[in-house]
Amino acid sequence: KQEVTQIPAALSVPEGENLVLNCSFTDSAIYNLQWFRQDPGKGLTSLLLIQSSQREQTSGRLNASLDKSSGRSTLYIAASQPGDSATYLCAVRKEDTGNQFYFGTGTSLTVIP
Amino acid sequence: DTEVTQTPKHLVMGMTNKKSLKCEQHMGHRAMYWYKQKAKKPPELMFVYSYEKLSINESVPSRFSPECPNSSLLNLHLHALQPEDSALYLCASSHYRVGYTFGSGTRLTVV
Repeated sequence: KQEVTQIPAALSVPEGENLVLNCSFTDSAIYNLQWFRQDPGKGLTSLLLIQSSQREQTSGRLNASLDKSSGRSTLYIAASQPGDSATYLCAVRKEDTGNQFYFGTGTSLTVIP
Repeated sequence: DTEVTQTPKHLVMGMTNKKSLKCEQHMGHRAMYWYKQKAKKPPELMFVYSYEKLSINESVPSRFSPECPNSSLLNLHLHALQPEDSALYLCASSHYRVGYTFGSGTRLTVV
């Protein structure tokens, strides 16, 4: 079974810092990987989707990279803002499980004004 | 339309009640999901429908009964729930090119 781990579990940074969130997965046979943010009590908002053939995706201040062979993805957030405070989740879709995604354990981010 | 719509947003029900959660999408996604999420935990998969057929049931108790009437709708029927079933219930749909799209969830409280 695919195991997905996110480190750190919680992170607190001052406003303006650049930061990196990590996502590791045990089975490199993935179809794609998706990063989400979740505000307390709300649904998940998709941030970036990286297909297995891609190395990175960018959206505004966010950049996600994927290294399939080492089973890792990183989400880079530039010039962090208090509005970035949320829980960040990665989800991996394996090649052979049809429509099933496996979620990581999440990183709770607090950006201090 | 790029949204997944869930109703109701909040639901309080007694342990003897019967209620239903509804989910709708018009993006043409052929896979739809129900997830359960407890506080400070990642979502836990409950059910997956693929082309309107149940393809995954993650050993969910029978007091939760999913239904997919057509390719745009997904229901979750609730009966005789327990207080520990109180959680945020999330619906999602997916397409292999765009990944998951989630609804905003139903906050369920069982009293």
